[in-house]
Amino acid sequence: EVQLVESGGGLVQPGRSLRLSCAASGFTFGDYGMHWVRQAPGKGLEWVSAISWDGTSIGYADSVKGRFTISRDNAKNSLYLQMNSLRAEDTALYYCAQRNIHGYFEYWGQGTLVTVSS
Amino acid sequence: EIVLTQSPATLSLSPGERATLSCRASQSVSNYLAWYQQKPGQAPRLLIYDASNRATGIPARFSGSGSGTDFTLTISSLEPEDFAVYYCQQRSGWTFGQGTKVEIK
Repeated sequence: EVQLVESGGGLVQPGRSLRLSCAASGFTFGDYGMHWVRQAPGKGLEWVSAISWDGTSIGYADSVKGRFTISRDNAKNSLYLQMNSLRAEDTALYYCAQRNIHGYFEYWGQGTLVTVSS
Repeated sequence: EIVLTQSPATLSLSPGERATLSCRASQSVSNYLAWYQQKPGQAPRLLIYDASNRATGIPARFSGSGSGTDFTLTISSLEPEDFAVYYCQQRSGWTFGQGTKVEIK
């Protein structure tokens, strides 16, 4: 059974940093591209970042470019999102998702909540 | 950046009725479009990929159509568990539409 479990969320002050993790199991992690998607309270889905299976291809939404860094450790079956210079508008539930062979997000974690507030 | 616009924002229907949801892209995405369902407190679930292919385990009452810039998700006869928010997503930049809420009338 595919499982994605996010962690690392919490309450953080504006301008500070936070690192999210996503632990994967039930599939060969190193074979799949992975993504972060966020959802602000009561709002829609926003794609945040993507990383290819081997980490060589990376992309970011304009809203986080230059502040967030995605990475992965295939030996540890883990995906990460380093979030710097956090803003109030980064407050959201952050999901990790597996990109399937067709290029879409078939498996999702349950999310980790990031709240940016003073 | 490709922008996806969904309509209507809210659809009020009764169980057993047909639901038709629209997604329009700001430029052609060919057939590289997916639909997701999200219920309160849950992660999204992939329903349709490449515009018209049902994902694993998705009931036949869900169908997708369209290509280029105009796409449709149809639920042929609404079941109680279908009342949720639906999002479209394009594959080249992975952006989502703003969602359509299907609510009980």
